Amino acid sequence: GAGVSQSPSNKVTEKGKDVELRCDPISGHTALYWYRQSLGQGLEFLIYFQGNSAPDKSGLPSDRFSAERTGGSVSTLTIQRTQQEDSAVYLCASSLGGRLEQYFGPGTRLTVT
Amino acid sequence: QKEVEQNSGPLSVPEGAIASLNCTYSDRGSQSFFWYRQYSGKSPELIMSIYSNGDKEDGRFTAQLNKASQYVSLLIRDSQPSDSATYLCAVMPSGTYKYIFGTGTRLKVLA
Repeated sequence: GAGVSQSPSNKVTEKGKDVELRCDPISGHTALYWYRQSLGQGLEFLIYFQGNSAPDKSGLPSDRFSAERTGGSVSTLTIQRTQQEDSAVYLCASSLGGRLEQYFGPGTRLTVT
Repeated sequence: QKEVEQNSGPLSVPEGAIASLNCTYSDRGSQSFFWYRQYSGKSPELIMSIYSNGDKEDGRFTAQLNKASQYVSLLIRDSQPSDSATYLCAVMPSGTYKYIFGTGTRLKVLA
């Protein structure tokens, strides 16, 4: 079946602009996660959704970052007023309810110039 | 001390040999452990999960867990050049559903 999909695959934006990154989880997966991967920091957790609610937002680095999930499916990660340090690959993962294994999408490479 | 530690490598092994990748973690209450493989420019791909002390085998891969020593390892038997990648150890701390990742070990299998 189809895996996790993310769009866009690449995004170049100017410092100060807002960006939206989209994640479409594996069909039927109730849990959804956002991570980011950068050279200096490795893979870092950002936020976790169970259904449409986000019980763990502890990894969001600042209030410029927000995420929502609608219909228990698609999720959008929004970064406002982007900064150069936001440049990274943003990865989305999903897991089946009751299972702990997470399956990753291909990622969105964000470059802030 | 980092929460999940891995040797960054590179670990070089000849084709056909056993590659041994190690990971230590700091949260003694952690119960769930995962190994991912990541090829350059690609996203992490799940290899195995392990939850109980001991060994778990899946094909050429064996995960080993020792909770008392806070240590998890991955053995790759009959290593192939196609196994050359970065291997990420992920730990799910107690009371959470998020992963904490190590920085990964780069494996090179020499033909």
